[in-house]
Amino acid sequence: GAVVSQHPSWVICKSGTSVKIECRSLDFQATTMFWYRQFPKQSLMLMATSNEGSKATYEQGVEKDKFLINHASLTLSTLTVTSAHPEDSSFYICSAQARADTQYFGPGTRLTVL
Amino acid sequence: GDSVTQMEGPVTLSEEAFLTINCTYTATGYPSLFWYVQYPGEGLQLLLKATKADDKGSNKGFEATYRKETTSFHLEKGSVQVSDSAVYFCALSDRSFNKFYFGSGTKLNVKP
Repeated sequence: GAVVSQHPSWVICKSGTSVKIECRSLDFQATTMFWYRQFPKQSLMLMATSNEGSKATYEQGVEKDKFLINHASLTLSTLTVTSAHPEDSSFYICSAQARADTQYFGPGTRLTVL
Repeated sequence: GDSVTQMEGPVTLSEEAFLTINCTYTATGYPSLFWYVQYPGEGLQLLLKATKADDKGSNKGFEATYRKETTSFHLEKGSVQVSDSAVYFCALSDRSFNKFYFGSGTKLNVKP
């Protein structure tokens, strides 16, 4: 089946630094990838939709300058959390769309900002 | 806007008990509906889906029927196993933009 990987699986960083998270579709090409944020015991919140070769579309309330998304190829999208602060600590999950109405999710990345 | 509401957990059942996790939705148009499962330390896996009214999605003994009249997509299983312990998410997909909206998740604990 379709597999989506994320790297790193967890990361700890100091406040003020930037962190990059990679999302890869391993055995299929994904023209669209999505980034979600999951707070403890809460649902996934869609942050942005990433289309290969174009700018990401951000959901209302998500700071595009803080959460930089790059979808450089059909198998790779990256999320960079810039100038991270403790309130950015969360579980970030990506998904890749293989075809309409079907998304495959990565295992998630746990970010802790000290 | 579109949204999904599902019952709060955790739900604790004994093995072989009947499971129901309620899910209702609000959407414009005709969304597709999904149940995803998240095992500890893993990503979300698609459990089942239904794309139109009265469709029944099923997989691994789990079932859910797309009820447009009650805007519901309740998840059921006749006999749960310990291995079913996980968090279950109800979700809908906006056909226009292919965005997914998730419920808050329901943790299921099955005891032997």
